[in-house]
Amino acid sequence: NAGVTQTPKFQVLKTGQSMTLQCAQDMNHNSMYWYRQDPGMGLRLIYYSASEGTTDKGEVPNGYNVSRLNKREFSLRLESAAPSQTSVYFCASSTGVINQPQHFGDGTRLSIL
Amino acid sequence: AQTVTQSQPEMSVQEAETVTLSCTYDTSENNYYLFWYKQPPSRQMILVIRQEAYKQQNATENRFSVNFQKAAKSFSLKISDSQLGDTAMYFCAFGGGSNYKLTFGKGTLLTVNP
Repeated sequence: NAGVTQTPKFQVLKTGQSMTLQCAQDMNHNSMYWYRQDPGMGLRLIYYSASEGTTDKGEVPNGYNVSRLNKREFSLRLESAAPSQTSVYFCASSTGVINQPQHFGDGTRLSIL
Repeated sequence: AQTVTQSQPEMSVQEAETVTLSCTYDTSENNYYLFWYKQPPSRQMILVIRQEAYKQQNATENRFSVNFQKAAKSFSLKISDSQLGDTAMYFCAFGGGSNYKLTFGKGTLLTVNP
């Protein structure tokens, strides 16, 4: 029972490099989300996908792009990494009904030098 | 836009005692849900408890219960008989309206001391 799987778990990048964080869920959920977590800031929504084929900006979308590849997968791309994007990134999924909780992956710790 | 405020950045409690974590929110929605998530040092986000706004009865899950005061827009979490494994960051979250998003507070770091 995997739930939400994120890869990689850790990554170090140099400024200007690009990379894609992968997320997959096996719960047949409609909605998927990407958050970043920084000390003292809680979780802030980067992008979300309410359903397959749709994506929308969240609170802090600048510097990121997303792709909802299919119902299971939702990737987050950093085109040109900046030190300000050093953070822990979480992917989550839910049925899309507001009384249902979001289920989270284990997070990716990303450091940009 | 909704806002969620957790006014206690850090708290500590002795093992076996009771502790209450505060959360207030601001919204114009009538239909919404509130959640508490726990994030232990392992970094996992674990759902602790949820409350439907239309229910007056406070939600309870074993040692965890909430005090939901809708008029005051307050949603506190009470942990009874605190255990060492309760040491974690706790996040309050609001979900409501026609969107599918959660708004999180900044978290309260709870330390349970032996």
